[in-house]
Amino acid sequence: GAVVSQHPSWVICKSGTSVKIECRSLDFQATTMFWYRQFPKQSLMLMATSNEGSKATYEQGVEKDKFLINHASLTLSTLTVTSAHPEDSSFYICSGGGGFGYTFGSGTRLTVV
Amino acid sequence: GENVEQHPSTLSVQEGDSAVIKCTYSDSASNYFPWYKQELGKRPQLIIDIRSNVGEKKDQRIAVTLNKTAKHFSLHITETQPEDSAVYFCAASNDMNYGGSQGNLIFGKGTKLSVKP
Repeated sequence: GAVVSQHPSWVICKSGTSVKIECRSLDFQATTMFWYRQFPKQSLMLMATSNEGSKATYEQGVEKDKFLINHASLTLSTLTVTSAHPEDSSFYICSGGGGFGYTFGSGTRLTVV
Repeated sequence: GENVEQHPSTLSVQEGDSAVIKCTYSDSASNYFPWYKQELGKRPQLIIDIRSNVGEKKDQRIAVTLNKTAKHFSLHITETQPEDSAVYFCAASNDMNYGGSQGNLIFGKGTKLSVKP
């Protein structure tokens, strides 16, 4: 089946620094990648949709200048959390699209201290 | 846009009993309804899904039913076991699976299922 590889699985960073999360589709071409955020004991909330070769679309309330998304190739989408703050601490997870079903990455646990 | 409501938020059953989780959705264009099981700190795992052209689907102890008219779908787990304990999420999507594009999933708030031995 389709596989999405997500790295890192966990990261701890200092306030004010930036963190990049990568999602790679290993055996399919992902024209679309969905980025979700999940706070403890809550559901998955869609943050943005990245589209290969074009700008990402962001959900209401998600700052596009803070959460930078790049989808430069059909196999790689990245989410960069810029100037991270403790309230950005969360579980970030991507899901590949492109007609191959919703294949989730393994998630990234971000802790900002 | 789509809105998915899920009930109950917590469910405790005795081992061997059945568990039922219900979801409603608002967008009549939604045509794909997956259910996920998520264990603490891990990615959601697809356990069963159903498309709008089907009313019921079963896979061993797990079944899903869909009522398009009422816009609700349910997960049924029979003969529950302690290892079924987890958080379960329903989701809905307008899965535009033609030409390679695809709508995103809208998740319910989740149900924490506890199966007591």
